[in-house]
Amino acid sequence: EAGVAQSPRYKIIEKRQSVAFWCNPISGHATLYWYQQILGQGPKLLIQFQNNGVVDDSQLPKDRFSAERLKGVDSTLKIQPAKLEDSAVYLCASSLRTAGANVLTFGAGSRLTVL
Amino acid sequence: AQSVSQHNHHVILSEAASLELGCNYSYGGTVNLFWYVQYPGQHLQLLLKYFSGDPLVKGIKGFEAEFIKSKFSFNLRKPSVQWSDTAEYFCAVSTNAGKSTFGDGTTLTVKP
Repeated sequence: EAGVAQSPRYKIIEKRQSVAFWCNPISGHATLYWYQQILGQGPKLLIQFQNNGVVDDSQLPKDRFSAERLKGVDSTLKIQPAKLEDSAVYLCASSLRTAGANVLTFGAGSRLTVL
Repeated sequence: AQSVSQHNHHVILSEAASLELGCNYSYGGTVNLFWYVQYPGQHLQLLLKYFSGDPLVKGIKGFEAEFIKSKFSFNLRKPSVQWSDTAEYFCAVSTNAGKSTFGDGTTLTVKP
């Protein structure tokens, strides 16, 4: 089966600019996650969707980050305006299930550098 | 809220040495436990998982982990590591609500 697709793989922007990341999950996976991974740390959940509804966005900095999953398939994560501390790898993952024993399949990630 | 603690940030071993990576979690309810691995240049991928039943679970490439409920631990083990095991290893906890929380990872370097 095709994996989780993400683009772009790398992005360099200056602070206060905006950036968008795209994710296409595995076909049939109802749940989609965006994680932020800062160098030296583990992935931190930003937002979790089930189909096109938000399950958890408690750790999403809503003043600058937004995400949507139209039609319950692919998703876009936007940062506007970016700050230096947003430099990280943004990981998209999907899973077949929402609750309980949910194995995550990850994409390659989008590495953001904010100058 | 749940949290995950991995004790070792960087472990260096010679080939054929035994490996044990520590993982402790904090959560009062039912949890599902995972180890994910990221090989150089590759995606994060599942190494093994525990949902219920036998607390000793086996994963790919000879890895195993033991869930000790009383210690809130899920340590990863391998009796004899290979150079190809060089990677970053993440312990993760998932609650019944489906939220997965990761530790900060352990980088394993295996010297040939």
